[in-house]
Amino acid sequence: GESVGLHLPTLSVQEGDNSIINCAYSNSASDYFIWYKQESGKGPQFIIDIRSNMDKRQGQRVTVLLNKTVKHLSLQIAATQPGDSAVYFCAENNYGQNFVFGPGTRLSVLP
Amino acid sequence: NAGVMQNPRHLVRRRGQEARLRCSPMKGHSHVYWYRQLPEEGLKFMVYLQKENIIDESGMPKERFSAEFPKEGPSILRIQQVVRGDSAAYFCASSFEQGSSNEQYFGPGTRLTVT
Repeated sequence: GESVGLHLPTLSVQEGDNSIINCAYSNSASDYFIWYKQESGKGPQFIIDIRSNMDKRQGQRVTVLLNKTVKHLSLQIAATQPGDSAVYFCAENNYGQNFVFGPGTRLSVLP
Repeated sequence: NAGVMQNPRHLVRRRGQEARLRCSPMKGHSHVYWYRQLPEEGLKFMVYLQKENIIDESGMPKERFSAEFPKEGPSILRIQQVVRGDSAAYFCASSFEQGSSNEQYFGPGTRLTVT
């Protein structure tokens, strides 16, 4: 289930289940979005991106959905694996301005 | 093809000392960004530089912090007279160009601890 921890919201899922991580972005004019994965002690790593003229984009085991009406972005991870355990950030960009990062969600994969 | 390099990976400074963080962008990238991350929080933009120019420093504290990206050599984030509140992870990212659809590639970060 999903819970709000001391700082980061945490999503706990069973190995093999699908994960859905949500992000509410702030700027309705943002035209480009990225999901990053950050493992403990490492820098953020690109997962998947989407432009504002699309509402869905699929990668390998990951899908990003964009709902511009409610300014909502989600990341779906199929068949979640232990290696998916990390903090996930969404980032938005407004026509060349700098990226603004969301607060992050910690994904914990249970055996 | 080496990724974004940052050094040192860990830096310990006493209050009042200076901290210098270095970032070498990916080969062919001329845009560098610095971010700061406190534990259990997201990344906060500090400054965006191109070679020899500061393009956007809207996220940088007005005092004690400075950044440069010289024509030759790495980008440097410099923090003078460090205080305990400066303790954080500092990440550098680089991109080929600025703007939409230009992914930023991140380095491993420098973890600064001020004692």
